[in-house]
Amino acid sequence: GENVEQHPSTLSVQEGDSAVIKCTYSDSASNYFPWYKQELGKGPQLIIDIRSNVGEKKDQRIAVTLNKTAKHFSLHITETQPEDSAVYFCAAAQYYGGSQGNLIFGKGTKLSVKP
Amino acid sequence: DSGVTQTPKHLITATGQRVTLRCSPRSGDLSVYWYQQSLDQGLQFLIQYYNGEERAKGNILERFSAQQFPDLHSELNLSSLELGDSALYFCASSNKSPAGGPPSTDTQYFGPGTRLTVL
Repeated sequence: GENVEQHPSTLSVQEGDSAVIKCTYSDSASNYFPWYKQELGKGPQLIIDIRSNVGEKKDQRIAVTLNKTAKHFSLHITETQPEDSAVYFCAAAQYYGGSQGNLIFGKGTKLSVKP
Repeated sequence: DSGVTQTPKHLITATGQRVTLRCSPRSGDLSVYWYQQSLDQGLQFLIQYYNGEERAKGNILERFSAQQFPDLHSELNLSSLELGDSALYFCASSNKSPAGGPPSTDTQYFGPGTRLTVL
């Protein structure tokens, strides 16, 4: 089955710097890669996702890149702000026949943005 | 606010007991997923229902079961509880279609979770 590895497990940056979180997946059939942000005491919230037919997607300060050959994808946050501090999870799933398979999550990255 | 609701927010019980966690999906969503989040295992998929029918099973113990009712709310039943069952339990919903059906917006929206403590 699919296995998703996420690095680093913790990341500390200064406000205004960029943060990069990387994930690798094992199943080449996976073609849907969402990123979730989880704040303390809350459920995971989808922040961006990418499908395997594109290599990059941006939404304001957040971008995700995908390298299908190497089977890795990354989350890039630019101009970080204290409110970006949270745990970030990557996930992978297969999307086939109009239906999405189940999400396999990485272990999470705790991002701390220091003012 | 994702639109997914879960009750109760916190649950404290003893080993050997049985509890029921409840989830109401977003309006219009037919699929419900249950996840367990623990410090050592991370977010683990347990089970998925679509429009009342079980669609997929993940790492769900035999002591655990779930169902989805005609009004689409779902319940996760945990029995013969052990200390190791202490975790956060999340429900997510999407309007995912069944395999072979028309494409859907398959984003999973998570609820706020139920924190279960087994003493």
